Amino acid sequence: TQLLEQSPQFLSIQEGENLTVYCNSSSVFSSLQWYRQEPGEGPVLLVTVVTGGEVKKLKRLTFQFGDARKDSSLHITAAQTGDTGLYLCAGSWGAQKLVFGQGTRLTINP
Amino acid sequence: DTGVSQDPRHKITKRGQNVTFRCDPISEHNRLYWYRQTLGQGPEFLTYFQNEAQLEKSRLLSDRFSAERPKGSFSTLEIQRTEQGDSAMYLCASSRGTDGYTFGSGTRLTVV
Repeated sequence: TQLLEQSPQFLSIQEGENLTVYCNSSSVFSSLQWYRQEPGEGPVLLVTVVTGGEVKKLKRLTFQFGDARKDSSLHITAAQTGDTGLYLCAGSWGAQKLVFGQGTRLTINP
Repeated sequence: DTGVSQDPRHKITKRGQNVTFRCDPISEHNRLYWYRQTLGQGPEFLTYFQNEAQLEKSRLLSDRFSAERPKGSFSTLEIQRTEQGDSAMYLCASSRGTDGYTFGSGTRLTVV
């Protein structure tokens, strides 16, 4: 059983479109992080959200933490081919281990 | 500091052989984590250290796996009597307090 469920698992869209990726859990996390991973490389941290209802923006990426701190979403506006990659959400309880979702593989077509 | 370094990047070994991977974390980070990632999946937690103390081990870490961080700096992960099911990307990450992780580029292990 996956503690963190990401949806969709695969997404292929055209450049310029908008998209949203979801990360859901039945557990309450003290913080949730989003990472992006390129093939053959380790994940790279994009953002950490810690407060229920928190919204953070990183250029064209908008991250939201659910009010109950059980879920999160990542919205990309006007997707570019450089956004292609594996997007991972991960939850933690304090400074302990991270629990990862299975990832959303995003492909942006030119 | 150039980030988290892992060595080797790739390792091909025959079934039954022992392998050892090394991770050099960011120098001021006191926590070090090992994860394993198979194709199409997110990373799975294996173990973590705070300084030199190994504070948690996953049940995924069978008796054939051992990790050390002898001086609270670099860490090694050894797999004894490798099996084909051990083939995966082994990722190391470090952090300081509740900051986000910095991952290395991983060691891709192939057991033939």
